[in-house]
Amino acid sequence: NAGVTQTPKFRILKIGQSMTLQCAQDMNHNYMYWYRQDPGMGLKLIYYSVGAGITDKGEVPNGYNVSRSTTEDFPLRLELAAPSQTSVYFCASSYQDGYTDTQYFGPGTRLTVL
Amino acid sequence: GQNIDQPTEMTATEGAIVQINCTYQTSGFNGLFWYQQHAGEAPTFLSYNVLDGLEEKGRFSSFLSRSKGYSYLLLKELQMKDSASYLCAVREQGGKLIFGQGTELSVKP
Repeated sequence: NAGVTQTPKFRILKIGQSMTLQCAQDMNHNYMYWYRQDPGMGLKLIYYSVGAGITDKGEVPNGYNVSRSTTEDFPLRLELAAPSQTSVYFCASSYQDGYTDTQYFGPGTRLTVL
Repeated sequence: GQNIDQPTEMTATEGAIVQINCTYQTSGFNGLFWYQQHAGEAPTFLSYNVLDGLEEKGRFSSFLSRSKGYSYLLLKELQMKDSASYLCAVREQGGKLIFGQGTELSVKP
């Protein structure tokens, strides 16, 4: 199992550019999440999905879009990059089964918008 | 909405025991997670509680009281490598998972 993979690891964007952050998991997890983490701060939920075809907004969804066409993939789209979107982006997945749950994070994508 | 509170910083001595508290208010509770995050790395899962009581995993234990909206993470026999940020996160009924700000733990010799 590769677990949760994210690409790219690093990216520099110019203001107004667009990009897609890729996230994939091979554990057949139903839940997937996108977070951003600013320096010295906690994780803020951007979007989440409870299964293929279902997505919902988190705490800070503005400026982002997601899709979940398959169980494995959960890409995050930035349409018009702004300096405020400079952050580390983490994708995570989990499988809830009764009273047990384990959540795994990808290694993160470090994005700078100049 | 949700509100999750943790102390910002804690300091403890190598070999000692430390308890990190987390209080939460949520519109629908469906589990509480604890994570460890070293600087520059992704969070690592430590524990999950959905029922009241204590869950023990080696040197780490996590406790939950749903009626009090309260959890703690207990770290025993502290090691220098335990210096990290510890994150409490609460899942709502609909699947949304919200994190607290994290507690920065410094372990001193």
